[in-house]
Amino acid sequence: QKEVEQDPGPLSVPEGAIVSLNCTYSNSAFQYFMWYRQYSRKGPELLMYTYSSGNKEDGRFTAQVDKSSKYISLFIRDSQPSDSATYLCATLGYTGTASKLTFGTGTRLQVTL
Amino acid sequence: DGGITQSPKYLFRKEGQNVTLSCEQNLNHDAMYWYRQDPGQGLRLIYYSQIVNDFQKGDIAEGYSVSREKKESFPLTVTSAQKNPTAFYLCASSGLAGLGETQYFGPGTRLLVL
Repeated sequence: QKEVEQDPGPLSVPEGAIVSLNCTYSNSAFQYFMWYRQYSRKGPELLMYTYSSGNKEDGRFTAQVDKSSKYISLFIRDSQPSDSATYLCATLGYTGTASKLTFGTGTRLQVTL
Repeated sequence: DGGITQSPKYLFRKEGQNVTLSCEQNLNHDAMYWYRQDPGQGLRLIYYSQIVNDFQKGDIAEGYSVSREKKESFPLTVTSAQKNPTAFYLCASSGLAGLGETQYFGPGTRLLVL
């Protein structure tokens, strides 16, 4: 079993739709959770970062963590064509004094006009 | 303008050849990382370094080597022992682990085999 599971998609939605992206993880010790957005042929950029359970909102984006079910979600409201990208969830652990990210495989999102 | 730079953007390797990918950061981060990204497999950790002159193997280190002679630089060499090197290589950096240090990524290098 992979430590972080993510549906690879692709997911296609019309402009203005609400998008829900989801991941599950297996290690209950994980405390920090990230969402990265990656445009084609570019490096990932940090989009959202949450600690423990609960919601965090930033503009049209909401990250949600449910530690009881080991489930993390990213919601995008009023989706735009510029949101078309691959979205990677990641959990943060530590090895020595370095942080160690464990990534899902990424979900490819296409927002159509 | 702080950030992470990687060069070259594209790199071609001939069979039996060693190639080196460059990664430089001016974020004053102590830790640096190399990942490999293949379609459908997400990012996999190759090597990481917490401090100058120190580095550790990640999950898929075989066929790769690194050095960390300067805080700002963490080059990756793909050796001839790496039989399937075609991939997108990403360098990242972070502060030392504290309360939720996150990693920031460079733009990547795409390695292709001739």
